[in-house]
Amino acid sequence: EAGVAQSPRYKIIEKRQSVAFWCNPISGHATLYWYQQILGQGPKLLIQFQNNGVVDDSQLPKDRFSAERLKGVDSTLKIQPAKLEDSAVYLCASSIAANEQYFGPGTRLTVT
Amino acid sequence: AQSVTQPDIHITVSEGASLELRCNYSYGATPYLFWYVQSPGQGLQLLLKYFSGDTLVQGIKGFEAEFKRSQSSFNLRKPSVHWSDAAEYFCAVGYNDMRFGAGTRLTVKP
Repeated sequence: EAGVAQSPRYKIIEKRQSVAFWCNPISGHATLYWYQQILGQGPKLLIQFQNNGVVDDSQLPKDRFSAERLKGVDSTLKIQPAKLEDSAVYLCASSIAANEQYFGPGTRLTVT
Repeated sequence: AQSVTQPDIHITVSEGASLELRCNYSYGATPYLFWYVQSPGQGLQLLLKYFSGDTLVQGIKGFEAEFKRSQSSFNLRKPSVHWSDAAEYFCAVGYNDMRFGAGTRLTVKP
């Protein structure tokens, strides 16, 4: 069974630029999550999708972050414009039910 | 609001020694509890989970954890640590809205 795929693995941008991350969940997993993991901290949930609908985006900074899952499969997370404090690893996870999440390798973002 | 505390930021143990990583949680209902491990540059891998039933849970790689409701704890243990266990360990609580602790970094001395 293929795992959760994410790309790119690494990204370096300057502040005020925009960036997008892509996630392909495990086939058949209806629930998809985006987490932000700042160095030295645990992952923080940004947004959760159930199929193509948003379940929870209470911790998503909506003034600069957006996410979509148009066909209920792949998802993209965008930051526009980026700030220095957005430097982090962005993790995507998926699950069949909300009891066991499978994580991708993450995208490490550096904002200079 | 639910939260997780991992009191130890960094722990060093000798190879072959026993290990216990602490986790305390705050949750309004019956908690769903998890332990994940993260190796450098890798995503998180689930070690074990507790939903209900037997309070001693067995996981992968020889790990186990014990749920103690009276202490709001879910400590992770391993009787004999291997060098390959060096990693970051995260405790998490929740169901749809999972919350992670800040993590404990494990160093294994030869």
